Amino acid sequence: GDSVTQMEGPVTLSEEAFLTINCTYTATGYPSLFWYVQYPGEGLQLLLKATKADDKGSNKGFEATYRKETTSFHLEKGSVQVSDSAVYFCALSPLTSGYSTLTFGKGTMLLVSP
Amino acid sequence: DAGVTQSPTHLIKTRGQQVTLRCSPKSGHDTVSWYQQALGQGPQFIFQYYEEEERQRGNFPDRFSGHQFPNYSSELNVNALLLGDSALYLCASSFSVRATEAFFGQGTRLTVV
Repeated sequence: GDSVTQMEGPVTLSEEAFLTINCTYTATGYPSLFWYVQYPGEGLQLLLKATKADDKGSNKGFEATYRKETTSFHLEKGSVQVSDSAVYFCALSPLTSGYSTLTFGKGTMLLVSP
Repeated sequence: DAGVTQSPTHLIKTRGQQVTLRCSPKSGHDTVSWYQQALGQGPQFIFQYYEEEERQRGNFPDRFSGHQFPNYSSELNVNALLLGDSALYLCASSFSVRATEAFFGQGTRLTVV
């Protein structure tokens, strides 16, 4: 079945450092890929998405590129802020099922210190 | 524009009891999905409702059931609660059953004691 694997956290960085959170997936067909963010005590917010190979999703300084050849969708940000501290989830939604449901990774906690 | 709203925010139940969680989708959305997020884990898909019918179901026992109303709001019911049902239950809505983008509510934190 479909699955998503993320790097384990926590990832601890200083403010203005470069961020990479690795995400790889297994799926039949060509799913849409997403990054969601969850702040403490809150639900999930969509951060960015990509729907086909080589697409780059971007939002709030975060970027991720859909790499079909490596089945990856790594999240990057050039300069993190303390306010970026949260849990980040990589997810996929298969296109072939006819119905859109999400399969999530286990999440990666990011801690940014001043 | 109100987003996805869930009630209650927190709930404590005893083993063996039954619980009902509620969700109102974002305005303009007709599809509702429910997810269970155990502590330290990613959300797991429970089921999806569209046109008042269950359209997809994840790997959850029949103790988990749901309903969708004509106004697109939805309920999640869990019978015979187990300690392992303690989790954050998230509702997500989308404007179409085939839409790839889902909007999540704040969740209901269920604790079973």
